[in-house]
Amino acid sequence: KAGVTQTPRYLIKTRGQQVTLSCSPISGHRSVSWYQQTPGQGLQFLFEYFSETQRNKGNFPGRFSGRQFSNSRSEMNVSTLELGDSALYLCASSSARERTEAFFGQGTRLTVV
Amino acid sequence: SQQGEEDPQALSIQEGENATMNCSYKTSINNLQWYRQNSGRGLVHLILIRSNEREKHSGRLRVTLDTSKKSSSLLITASRAADTASYFCATDAKSGNQFYFGTGTSLTVIP
Repeated sequence: KAGVTQTPRYLIKTRGQQVTLSCSPISGHRSVSWYQQTPGQGLQFLFEYFSETQRNKGNFPGRFSGRQFSNSRSEMNVSTLELGDSALYLCASSSARERTEAFFGQGTRLTVV
Repeated sequence: SQQGEEDPQALSIQEGENATMNCSYKTSINNLQWYRQNSGRGLVHLILIRSNEREKHSGRLRVTLDTSKKSSSLLITASRAADTASYFCATDAKSGNQFYFGTGTSLTVIP
């Protein structure tokens, strides 16, 4: 069974630009969550989608948005990039509706210059 | 914040020794999970322990949970150089699959 796939693996963008990251969950998993990891803040929850609906949202500005498609693939978009958005963005998929193991992808390393 | 905290922040041991790291959290949980992360890579799920469980084993891993103290420990026995990584505990929110991660313990196993 293929794991969680995130693309691209690395990305360099300029301040003010926007970026879209993609996550393909494990086959059959319907829950996809996104996390931002930085040295200073650690792992911070961005949002979670289940069956194309956003269920939970963390404390991030509206520049961070996401969506989930009918095949459970998810995208995360960050508009008007700031230097502080440089981070490792991790996607996790889960099989059940809640309270179950989350399996992570390798992440997308975003650098904003 | 519901974020947990791992202790110690960093741990360095010789290969073959046991490594113990602790996690404390702030609110009631349904389950607690431990993850490993190699430098700059994704998180690898190690073990999940439910709030009604006190101890769980998986290979060289032993996890305990004390809900009265809101703490958990991860023991890695007979450590190997390949165990060098950061280890995180994650607690669940009241609903959904949102997790709160601790600050992590950086483990170095010296060959």
